[in-house]
Amino acid sequence: NAGVTQTPKFQVLKTGQSMTLQCAQDMNHEYMSWYRQDPGMGLRLIHYSVGAGITDQGEVPNGYNVSRSTTEDFPLRLLSAAPSQTSVYFCASRGGETQYFGPGTRLLVL
Amino acid sequence: SQKIEQNSEALNIQEGKTATLTCNYTNYSPAYLQWYRQDPGRGPVFLLLIRENEKEKRKERLKVTFDTTLKQSLFHITASQPADSATYLCATGANNLFFGTGTRLTVIP
Repeated sequence: NAGVTQTPKFQVLKTGQSMTLQCAQDMNHEYMSWYRQDPGMGLRLIHYSVGAGITDQGEVPNGYNVSRSTTEDFPLRLLSAAPSQTSVYFCASRGGETQYFGPGTRLLVL
Repeated sequence: SQKIEQNSEALNIQEGKTATLTCNYTNYSPAYLQWYRQDPGRGPVFLLLIRENEKEKRKERLKVTFDTTLKQSLFHITASQPADSATYLCATGANNLFFGTGTRLTVIP
């Protein structure tokens, strides 16, 4: 099993550009989520999904969209990037009591 | 929402000693507390989960306690090794997690 994979590893955007952060898991987990990690702030939940076709907002959803068309994939979309979205983004899936995190995407918005 | 505090940003400890990390929560008593390890440039890795009705949980050299009176969880690494050097994160919840900011542990040989 590859576990949770994320692409790209690193991305630079200009303010106003859009992009999609990809996340996939091969463990057949129903629950998936997106977090952002900023210095001094800890990890904060952006959006989550309890299964295909079902998504909901987390603690910091503004500026981000998600969809869940399959169990495996949970992409995160930035519609119009802002410098405040500079962060490291982690995708996670939950199996039983264990949350599995991906390796992260480092995003820089200029 | 729940607030999680890990008061120590950094902790240095001599190899072989027991490292003790603290996690405090400020609002309602969570049903679960979880501990993760994060290495630089990598995602968090799940270590242990302890439930509200469990006082203590162990896994190899790791031990976690949950004190609902003190609103606190302690995370212990016994016989610490340089390879244990990492940032340790505390989180509440089962699905949607609230994380502390982490404690960076350095084990000195």
